[in-house]
Amino acid sequence: AQSVTQLDSHVSVSEGTPVLLRCNYSSSYSPSLFWYVQHPNKGLQLLLKYTSAATLVKGINGFEAEFKKSETSFHLTKPSAHMSDAAEYFCVVSPGSYSSASKIIFGSGTRLSIRP
Amino acid sequence: DAGVIQSPRHEVTEMGQEVTLRCKPISGHDYLFWYRQTMMRGLELLIYFNNNVPIDDSGMPEDRFSAKMPNASFSTLKIQPSEPRDSAVYFCASSFIAGGPSEQFFGPGTRLTVL
Repeated sequence: AQSVTQLDSHVSVSEGTPVLLRCNYSSSYSPSLFWYVQHPNKGLQLLLKYTSAATLVKGINGFEAEFKKSETSFHLTKPSAHMSDAAEYFCVVSPGSYSSASKIIFGSGTRLSIRP
Repeated sequence: DAGVIQSPRHEVTEMGQEVTLRCKPISGHDYLFWYRQTMMRGLELLIYFNNNVPIDDSGMPEDRFSAKMPNASFSTLKIQPSEPRDSAVYFCASSFIAGGPSEQFFGPGTRLTVL
């Protein structure tokens, strides 16, 4: 069975300060892990994904995430927040091998707010 | 490519009316997904297709919901009759393959309000 937990429903940071969005997962497989971003009134867009290659994954807009198997975590970070980063972020877990899409699990989302 | 296209972007209807949502996936993608997003339930997978064939519709809430994919470039999600609790944002997404490391490409969504 798989599950994903986003530990914070809302995170607020000041512009220019680091961002940390936390995600823990549970999987019986070697999972693929994703972070998607959703800006207001938009669809979800892929930020980055982990697929059993390098454990530190770099994505778009300066975001990166580190896969830590021992901690079952895949936290999303960015060194310096920008106002345009304000959005909802979703952590997603999927079986590592190609299989049913029904096994893809979306987290509940973390709303990131940026203070000027 | 223009990405996944959904129409309409907004729909307001009265309870009991039929609602049809439309989706055009990215050309060449073999998989198409319909999701519903609400504050209470988050993002829910309703149904997905592979090569125009429905593979898993276990997420469809009830018989009032139906989805079709008559060809590789078009899908519909229909609600008949609609109810206020169907109010949500409905997303269509497509991908090359299902599951695994495959990224899904999402459309902009249709915001449905049932009065």
